[in-house]
Parts: sequence; C-alpha cells; structure tokens
Amino acid sequence: KAGVTQTPRYLIKTRGQQVTLSCSPISGHRSVSWYQQTPGQGLQFLFEYFSETQRNKGNFPGRFSGRQFSNSRSEMNVSTLELGDSALYLCASSPRQFSGANVLTFGAGSRLTVL
Amino acid sequence: DAKTTQPNSMESNEEEPVHLPCNHSTISGTDYIHWYRQLPSQGPEYVIHGLTSNVNNRMASLAIAEDRKSSTLILHRATLRDAAVYYCILRDFTAGGGADGLTFGKGTHLIIQP
Repeated sequence: KAGVTQTPRYLIKTRGQQVTLSCSPISGHRSVSWYQQTPGQGLQFLFEYFSETQRNKGNFPGRFSGRQFSNSRSEMNVSTLELGDSALYLCASSPRQFSGANVLTFGAGSRLTVL
Repeated sequence: DAKTTQPNSMESNEEEPVHLPCNHSTISGTDYIHWYRQLPSQGPEYVIHGLTSNVNNRMASLAIAEDRKSSTLILHRATLRDAAVYYCILRDFTAGGGADGLTFGKGTHLIIQP
C-alpha cells in the first residue's frame, strides 16, 4: 500500500511569506504528527492531529499551525517566515492517536528554504 | 517523557554485529522503548520497540536491561545500507502520551566500513 506522501518535496520562500505543506497518511491511519528537523536542533515535535482535532502541540510559536481533514489528510502552515524556519518538515502517520506502542510511518519530508 | 542518552557516533565493519547502546535511567514503568533510524535524505523509519522483554524482528534485536535503565539495539550483520542515524526514544503507553510527542534527540550516527 502507498506510504505517507508529503508535498511539495522542495520549496524556496522569502522572509515574511507564508507556506502550506501537505501530508497524506497511509490509508486507514487516523493520526498525523508533524516534526521539524534542523542540523542544530535535531528532530522536534510540532503537533499531532487525530480525528480532525489537535491532540498535542510542541513548543513552537503560533506562526506554526495545522489542521486535519475528514479524510485524515493534514496540512501545516507557517506564516511570516523567518530564516530560522529553513528545515526539513516531516509528517508521520499511525493507525490511532499516538501512544507508547504505536508505530509511526514517516514521509520523506518537505525541505523548506527561506531566503 | 523521560530522556535518553546515546553516543554521538559509532563505527563498525561490514558483516559484523553492531551494538548500539541507549541509556534511559529515568524511564517509567509505562514507557515503551522505540528505535527508529534515518537514512540520508529520507524520513525516519521504524526499527523495533519493546517494553520489558527482549524483542527480535527481521531488522534487528532489542536487548532491554533487567532494570530497564538501558537498552541495546543489535544489528546482527551490518551492511553498508545500515549506515544511518539511529534514534532511541521513550514513549508512554497510556493513550495520549503527553504534549511533547516523540522527542528524537540527536541519535547515534552509525558508520559502516566496507
């Protein structure tokens, strides 16, 4: 079956712009979580959605937001982009809301460069 | 969630076993131990997870100390394709899990020499 699909794979924006990234989970998976990966900070949790509701949120400013649709597809948005937002943004899906025994399947990521 | 400590990097030879250590001295009784790895230019992929007993699957084995304060990921016969960053993470098995989701840290960069 198809894996987790993230689009676009690469994009370049300038400071002050906004960006929307998309994630299509594995069919039947209802939980989607988002992560930011940078060389300096490693892989950091942004937020998790389950049944169209944000269930958990990491320590990121309000410029980072997301949503989940009824078909479990998810989008994340970053407004007023800053240079420090340049990163690989990863999406992961799991069958149900993430808990200890739940296994995540990651997409290949969307690499954002902010100039 | 409790924190984990891993060496920054390790080096091994092809076709030899690799033992990747992880310390998690503040682990709670409800924490599962997960391992993921990330190959260059890819998202992380699941390797293995366990709670108390040692676990085996087609990719690796997970050896968990009796006091659960440490664990070791074992690759029985490393290949060049196993060169990746390996992350050891703890997750609470109670539903919800807490606000910080899955905290990966920096992981161990495994280098495989031919």
